[in-house]
Amino acid sequence: GQSLEQPSEVTAVEGAIVQINCTYQTSGFYGLSWYQQHDGGAPTFLSYNALDGLEETGRFSSFLSRSDSYGYLLLQELQMKDSASYFCAALTGGGNKLTFGTGTQLKVEL
Amino acid sequence: DSGVTQTPKHLITATGQRVTLRCSPRSGDLSVYWYQQSLDQGLQFLIQYYNGEERAKGNILERFSAQQFPDLHSELNLSSLELGDSALYFCASSPTSGGGDTQYFGPGTRLTVL
Repeated sequence: GQSLEQPSEVTAVEGAIVQINCTYQTSGFYGLSWYQQHDGGAPTFLSYNALDGLEETGRFSSFLSRSDSYGYLLLQELQMKDSASYFCAALTGGGNKLTFGTGTQLKVEL
Repeated sequence: DSGVTQTPKHLITATGQRVTLRCSPRSGDLSVYWYQQSLDQGLQFLIQYYNGEERAKGNILERFSAQQFPDLHSELNLSSLELGDSALYFCASSPTSGGGDTQYFGPGTRLTVL
């Protein structure tokens, strides 16, 4: 089966840097996406890695190592509004199917 | 606002009943995806349609079915409802059939089965 594991909860202070890890076991892997979800809201796309390496988008960066079946999301200059759940999601099945991880709840404190 | 609309926002019904959830994708998007989010199962992919045809299937129960119409809106039909079907149902859309397209999620329909 397909599985993606993430830490359930991470706490950090405003202005800090935090890394959320994701390890996956999937077949037919195409790439790894990251989504943010605030309580009661819809998931919002953050980034997608199809190739190994680092992708940077503003304060957010995402990394993928296909050989290690591992990726991470790096959030810099944390703000209170970054408090949310973050999901990694593996794209499989011919590039059509997103399998989501268990989600990491990030709490940003003053 | 992602541009994806879902109706209704909330739905309360009884066990054994049937409901229909509706989704309109972003303008120009040909793919529609349905997801179920519950506390115990997390966010799970159910099914994808691309330009009216089923393209990928996930953990969708036989009691559930979906379709995409010529105007590209989609409906998810849930029948013989059980308490465990209570969840948040999201629809997402993307421009093409996959390949790493960003999926844009709608606000969701919260289904409560009593």
